[in-house]
Amino acid sequence: DVKVTQSSRYLVKRTGEKVFLECVQDMDHENMFWYRQDPGLGLRLIYFSYDVKMKEKGDIPEGYSVSREKKERFSLILESASTNQTSMYLCASFRGSGYGYTFGSGTRLTVV
Amino acid sequence: SQELEQSPQSLIVQEGKNLTINCTSSKTLYGLYWYKQKYGEGLIFLMMLQKGGEEKSHEKITAKLDEKKQQSSLHITASQPSHAGIYLCGADGNTGKLIFGQGTTLQVKP
Repeated sequence: DVKVTQSSRYLVKRTGEKVFLECVQDMDHENMFWYRQDPGLGLRLIYFSYDVKMKEKGDIPEGYSVSREKKERFSLILESASTNQTSMYLCASFRGSGYGYTFGSGTRLTVV
Repeated sequence: SQELEQSPQSLIVQEGKNLTINCTSSKTLYGLYWYKQKYGEGLIFLMMLQKGGEEKSHEKITAKLDEKKQQSSLHITASQPSHAGIYLCGADGNTGKLIFGQGTTLQVKP
């Protein structure tokens, strides 16, 4: 089975801190995604990547950046965390057309 | 851009009852995915539908895709407490970017 691992389940950070959320997949998938999930707003796409060193903005990229130096790892970076970035963050990996997207267990980030 | 609307937003059913969740797209559906999420956890892939009229089943869950209506339905037969959670439909509009509906929260009363 494809595994997508997010480094932390729960994280508490202070306003203004630089935050790194890590995601690793073990099946050599080219496509990886970062979403945030908020009550009443559903899942919204932040950034995605089709290949190493490639990144594309999703629907809500403001305040975030990403890094994909290796195929298996896709990192989400909050340059200066703010309280409105308190959310559940979900990483996903995708093999290609005809296959499902595999999600990690999520990181619940609280910014205080 | 494509939007997905799920109905109902929430559902409470008695154990043993059948139920249906709908997902309607604003644009043509090229691939429709159903996921289940337990509170505070990641998404579990249930099924993917790609062709109009396609129907798939897994245990007591059946999903159908009506391409003409740009709609998919998820049907649970004889619901159990283990079916409780949030059900999400997703579509990638042939772009490789998966977007989601708002989700349907299901509670099953024993």
